[in-house]
Amino acid sequence: KAGVTQTPRYLIKTRGQQVTLSCSPISGHRSVSWYQQTPGQGLQFLFEYFSETQRNKGNFPGRFSGRQFSNSRSEMNVSTLELGDSALYLCASSPGTGGTYDPGFFGQGTRLTVV
Amino acid sequence: GDSVTQMEGPVTLSEEACLTINCTYTATGYPSLFWYVQYPGEGLQLLLKATKADDKGSNKGFEATYRKETTSFHLEKGSVQVSDSAVYFCALRPSSGSARQLTFGSGTQLTVLP
Repeated sequence: KAGVTQTPRYLIKTRGQQVTLSCSPISGHRSVSWYQQTPGQGLQFLFEYFSETQRNKGNFPGRFSGRQFSNSRSEMNVSTLELGDSALYLCASSPGTGGTYDPGFFGQGTRLTVV
Repeated sequence: GDSVTQMEGPVTLSEEACLTINCTYTATGYPSLFWYVQYPGEGLQLLLKATKADDKGSNKGFEATYRKETTSFHLEKGSVQVSDSAVYFCALRPSSGSARQLTFGSGTQLTVLP
């Protein structure tokens, strides 16, 4: 079955702009979580969605937001981009039910570069 | 807060050598522990996990044992292959509370030479 799909794979944006990233989870999975990966900070949790509801949020400013649609696809948005937002953004999916919160697979990520 | 410390990389081994990647954690209670692997050009994927003390997770010849007394979850493999070249991440998830997100270590790059 298809894995976790993230689009686009690469993005270059200018400071002050906003950006929207998309994630399609594995078919049948209802939980989507987002992580930011940078060389300095490693992998840091952004947020998790389950059945269109944000279930958990990491320690990121309000410029970072997300949502989940009824088909479980998720988007994250970053407004007023800063140079420090340059990172690889990873999405992971899990069934999200029966205690199965743990993501088995991540997408390849979206590489965001802010100039 | 919770944290995971992994041995610094990169690690370079010859094929068929033994592998150990150290991982220790700081957390309250009994977190679940994980190893993820990221092959070149791919996303992370769950390699193995353990949810309680003394549990051993295993997959693809890799093993890790949840040691509560030493707060460790070291990854081991008896004979590595070139195809094991990847970045390995240790992670934990709290056992209780509303914050159920994964906390990752910094990753260890493994290169296996033929």
